[in-house]
Amino acid sequence: AQTVTQSQPEMSVQEAETVTLSCTYDTSESNYYLFWYKQPPSRQMILVIRQEAYKQQNATENRFSVNFQKAAKSFSLKISDSQLGDTAMYFCAFMKRDAGNMLTFGGGTRLMVKP
Amino acid sequence: ETGVTQTPRHLVMGMTNKKSLKCEQHLGHNAMYWYKQSAKKPLELMFVYNFKEQTENNSVPSRFSPECPNSSHLFLHLHTLQPEDSALYLCASSLAAGTNNEQFFGPGTRLTVL
Repeated sequence: AQTVTQSQPEMSVQEAETVTLSCTYDTSESNYYLFWYKQPPSRQMILVIRQEAYKQQNATENRFSVNFQKAAKSFSLKISDSQLGDTAMYFCAFMKRDAGNMLTFGGGTRLMVKP
Repeated sequence: ETGVTQTPRHLVMGMTNKKSLKCEQHLGHNAMYWYKQSAKKPLELMFVYNFKEQTENNSVPSRFSPECPNSSHLFLHLHTLQPEDSALYLCASSLAAGTNNEQFFGPGTRLTVL
């Protein structure tokens, strides 16, 4: 079974600054996917970024990028130029390849962006 | 409407009541999921349906009964729930399960069991 751990229950950052959210996972699989989902207050959870484990290059999506360290089983999310709209719960998630699209989530990190 | 919708958004029920949660997706997907999001616990996958067939039951108590009449609709029937079942119930959909595709989530139903 896989486990996903987010060790930072809450974080805050000043608007326009950069913040990094941590995620570690435990698996014996070699083929898998990792995700970061964002859940704004009272709004739907949306996908922020996705990483395929077989790709060495770190995924980026505009202001969002990841630092994927496969050997260390680490998958951190960096948010650059933080905006007030980035305030949300952020969930790291693991999906084993070809296993029915089932996601295993971490406990989440609540991020507050301060003006 | 677009995306994944859930009704009702809020539900309060007694332990002896029977109620149902509804999820509808307008994305042309074939896989649908129920998750439970409790305070201070990671999201827990409850059920997976792929082309209307249940493919996963994650050891969910029988007081939760899912139904998937077609690929666009998913229900969660609730009966004789316990206060510890109070949580946010999230529905999600994706292209067919097993294809490593992104899941799209609904806004959730906030359930309170008295």
